[in-house]
Amino acid sequence: GQQLNQSPQSMFIQEGEDVSMNCTSSSIFNTWLWYKQDPGEGPVLLIALYKAGELTSNGRLTAQFGITRKDSFLNISASIPSDVGIYFCAGQGTGTASKLTFGTGTRLQVTL
Amino acid sequence: NAGVTQTPKFQVLKTGQSMTLQCAQDMNHEYMSWYRQDPGMGLRLIHYSVGAGITDQGEVPNGYNVSRSTTEDFPLRLLSAAPSQTSVYFCASSLLAGGSYEQYFGPGTRLTVT
Repeated sequence: GQQLNQSPQSMFIQEGEDVSMNCTSSSIFNTWLWYKQDPGEGPVLLIALYKAGELTSNGRLTAQFGITRKDSFLNISASIPSDVGIYFCAGQGTGTASKLTFGTGTRLQVTL
Repeated sequence: NAGVTQTPKFQVLKTGQSMTLQCAQDMNHEYMSWYRQDPGMGLRLIHYSVGAGITDQGEVPNGYNVSRSTTEDFPLRLLSAAPSQTSVYFCASSLLAGGSYEQYFGPGTRLTVT
């Protein structure tokens, strides 16, 4: 089955730095979603994007729906220790809201 | 408001045993789904439901059955457990209304098949 290519796979950054990650697909999606997963817990939805070119913020997080509809980007500004976790992108094509395709995740570690 | 609940939290099965993973939501969401998460991979969709009485297969449905007799409950059945089904299982419920997406995942069931 298809999975989205997410990069980087992992990153170590210092507190206060900005973080960028992206997700690419061979298929067009109608919706892009970004999640954060803490150890031992389920993913939590951070941002949802609904149309090409859309730029949406949630606090220090900003995500963009790529113009080609085949990619999406997530930026975290001024990272803090609690940003540690795994970030997943997911795309939804036409059809039901349940049928999502997930990326392989970006593991973020923040050092003091 | 409990959100999405899953039971059990941990389970160990022997090869060939069957069991049911429970999932319930109290948000009146129409859409529910089951995913499995394996190390180094994202979540893969097993089965999903768009409402009571309606289910469909996802990306990796083999070895699993689901039913949706009520809006609240969406159990996942393992018919004859195999070591390849060792994984963390997440249930999710979602709603897309007015162009706004709302989705919640349960805390997961960690299953080991020996």
